[in-house]
Amino acid sequence: DTAVSQTPKYLVTQMGNDKSIKCEQNLGHDTMYWYKQDSKKFLKIMFSYNNKELIINETVPNRFSPKSPDKAHLNLHINSLELGDSAVYFCASSQQARQGAGYGYTFGSGTRLTVV
Amino acid sequence: AQSVTQPDIHITVSEGASLELRCNYSYGATPYLFWYVQSPGQGLQLLLKYFSGDTLVQGIKGFEAEFKRSQSSFNLRKPSVHWSDAAEYFCAVGAKSGGYQKVTFGTGTKLQVIP
Repeated sequence: DTAVSQTPKYLVTQMGNDKSIKCEQNLGHDTMYWYKQDSKKFLKIMFSYNNKELIINETVPNRFSPKSPDKAHLNLHINSLELGDSAVYFCASSQQARQGAGYGYTFGSGTRLTVV
Repeated sequence: AQSVTQPDIHITVSEGASLELRCNYSYGATPYLFWYVQSPGQGLQLLLKYFSGDTLVQGIKGFEAEFKRSQSSFNLRKPSVHWSDAAEYFCAVGAKSGGYQKVTFGTGTKLQVIP
């Protein structure tokens, strides 16, 4: 069973379209994340949810809207896609470090979004 | 805010040689530190982490890393590299932000292994 699964793996779409990426984790983690990896491999946090509550919301265009229906799912909807949105989007999950140990992340295999 | 610097963008080593990947962090308190590996077309996989205790931590695939507070470093090492270790390696620092952990990744070091 895949621990963190994202769909679709590849997404090619035209500018101006709206698309969604889905993410599910079966690890029982309470926190999920969306990261964007650009062509230079730089990873930037976009959003994080803890038990369906938004806890991290970085400077991201409001065309990007995350939704977490339950703690095992975190989806990303993107409106009016632009060329600059082309990247690999990674979903990840972890337990949340409220005290003590920092927990590592488990990553999905990524969604490569290409906007043409 | 925390930050991570990986000074080496690209490193080439011979198979069987030792490896050290450098990582420097910036954070006011004791950070959580991580190393991840990303193979082509894959997501990131956690190699090891440090949050307290012994400053030399062992990870998977024969990797280890040493936390040096005085140098703000967390370098990754492996005594003998295998061809399958060729990948992108990311150092990351976690810190508390508003009661939650927030992890910031370095820009990565691409490891090439030559026969």
